[in-house]
This record gives sequence, C-alpha cells and structure tokens, in this order.
Amino acid sequence: EPEVTQTPSHQVTQMGQEVILRCVPISNHLYFYWYRQILGQKVEFLVSFYNNEISEKSEIFDDQFSVERPDGSNFTLKIRSTKLEDSAMYFCASSEVGGSGNEQFFGPGTRLTVL
Amino acid sequence: AQTVTQSQPEMSVQEAETVTLSCTYDTSESNYYLFWYKQPPSRQMILVIRQEAYKQQNATENRFSVNFQKAAKSFSLKISDSQLGDTAMYFCAFMSPVRAGKSTFGDGTTLTVKP
Repeated sequence: EPEVTQTPSHQVTQMGQEVILRCVPISNHLYFYWYRQILGQKVEFLVSFYNNEISEKSEIFDDQFSVERPDGSNFTLKIRSTKLEDSAMYFCASSEVGGSGNEQFFGPGTRLTVL
Repeated sequence: AQTVTQSQPEMSVQEAETVTLSCTYDTSESNYYLFWYKQPPSRQMILVIRQEAYKQQNATENRFSVNFQKAAKSFSLKISDSQLGDTAMYFCAFMSPVRAGKSTFGDGTTLTVKP
C-alpha cells in the first residue's frame, strides 16, 4: 500500500541553525501539507501546497519557514533559523484532491529537537 | 475561524465494552468534512472515520461509528467491542472545502483500553 515517508525520523539541531525536513508524498497525490505537534499538544496546520504554490498557511508559518517541491517526488519544509520553540513533531501529509474532504495520508513524522 | 473542542482529555474503557468520545466544533459554513484520527504511541496519524456534513447518515467503519448532529455541531465517536489495540490518542478534525485542505484539530482524547 502506498504511504507517505519522511526523513529523518529524528533531527537534533542547535538553535539558530537551518534544518530541512523531507517528505515523499504518495505518487499520484497533488496536494501536500505540513503539520506540527508540540509534545502533548494538538496537531497544528502549517501550510498546504498545490501546483508549486502555497495554497494556505497558518500564522505559525512565518518568514522562517519555507516549503519546496524540488523535484517530482520530494516535498521539503525548511526552517531557516531554528528556535527552541520549534521543537516538535512535524508531520507531512498528502491527498489526491484538496479541500473536498479527501483523506489526508500522514507520514510517520520527524521529531525535531532544538537545543 | 473554525474551532474544534474535545472536552475529555482522558478516558478509559474495559476491553470489549463500548466507549464514546465527544467532539464539538464551531463554524459558519454549511458544507465541511469531519474526521476522527487515531494516534497510537508510535505517533503515526491514522484516519479512523470521516463524515461529510451534507450527508445525514452517520458514517460507520466496522467497530467505529459516529453520531453527527449538525445543528448541535457535535461529532462523537463510538468505539464498540473495544480492543487493547484501540489504546491511543484520538483527534477530532474539521476541514473546510474552501481552505485548501487545511484541517483544524481538537486537543485530543487519550483513550486507554484496560484488559
């Protein structure tokens, strides 16, 4: 069964460093998303992406964040200068269609620890 | 903005019994989608069940069913014949068709199934 994959599973970085979280969505999906979950808290939407453009972003997704689909398979989330409060689980998701209630398939997550 | 409220932070149930998890939401939209996700200790987000707001019939997936009350903006999840593997955090989520697939999650309910 096709699945969303994410690498790395755990990333440790120093405050102020740049990190890139990688995701490979399901191959025929057109919509891509990033969510984050601070430990013990709810899952929060960061951004949705379609046709090489951001479709929607939350107030969390400030200038420190960017997303890219550098090739036909990867979807990345970059955090330019990490802060302690960026420590969280980051989930990538993809869906065939956006906004019509299609199931979003989530990856296993990347745990980001900022020291 | 949409909000999703799960008023039960923790619940427990005996194996083989039935449990109901509550969720309420707030929106001014008439068409939307509601989801229940399961997040076991592995942290992977797994879709349990989905409901389309324009459908009056409550969704059912094997042992999982929902009680969708549109006027009351209520969307509860019933788990019948609870199994040990149902132990997980359960999130209720709302998706608007006009928000490019953005899902808004509740705070979650930790369910423990006891042998």
